Amino acid sequence: AQTVTQSQPEMSVQEAETVTLSCTYDTSESDYYLFWYKQPPSRQMILVIRQEAYKQQNATENRFSVNFQKAAKSFSLKISDSQLGDAAMYFCAYRSFETSGSRLTFGEGTQLTVNP
Amino acid sequence: NAGVTQTPKFQVLKTGQSMTLQCAQDMNHEYMSWYRQDPGMGLRLIHYSVGAGITDQGEVPNGYNVSRSTTEDFPLRLLSAAPSQTSVYFCASSPGRSGYTFGSGTRLTVV
Repeated sequence: AQTVTQSQPEMSVQEAETVTLSCTYDTSESDYYLFWYKQPPSRQMILVIRQEAYKQQNATENRFSVNFQKAAKSFSLKISDSQLGDAAMYFCAYRSFETSGSRLTFGEGTQLTVNP
Repeated sequence: NAGVTQTPKFQVLKTGQSMTLQCAQDMNHEYMSWYRQDPGMGLRLIHYSVGAGITDQGEVPNGYNVSRSTTEDFPLRLLSAAPSQTSVYFCASSPGRSGYTFGSGTRLTVV
């Protein structure tokens, strides 16, 4: 079974600074996607960024970018120019397209605090 | 488009009661899932469906039933509520190769 691990339960960053959230995963499959989801206090789950495993280029969405190291099974999220609105719980997630159900498997989450 | 709609948003049940959490999506997504979120444990998969008429168990299925008679609807039934089922429940849907879109969640308390 696939597992996703986020080793940083909490992180903090100063407004306008850069922060990196870590994620590692374990799989023997080759066809999968990785995601970062944001959950603010409203508890809504918001998709931040997606990475397809077959793509070598790291995904970027405005101030959010990933460092995808396929061989190391590492998938970190970098937030540049942090804003107060970035404060939230961030979840790393894995979606397989080889096992049945094409389900999402989540890490335990990292609580990000942004200090003014 | 309404996206993924979950009802109710809040619910209090007594131990032993049954209820159904409703989930509907209007995006014609084939994949739908139910998760529960507990503090410090991320989101855990309860049941999922890959299309109308097809459902399967996730990590924590005990005490829950699902059915999927239409593409749009994926209700989650609690058979006999227990305090251990106090949690926040999320329904999510997805097309073939994409991320999942989540509903706004249901906060359930079992007393």
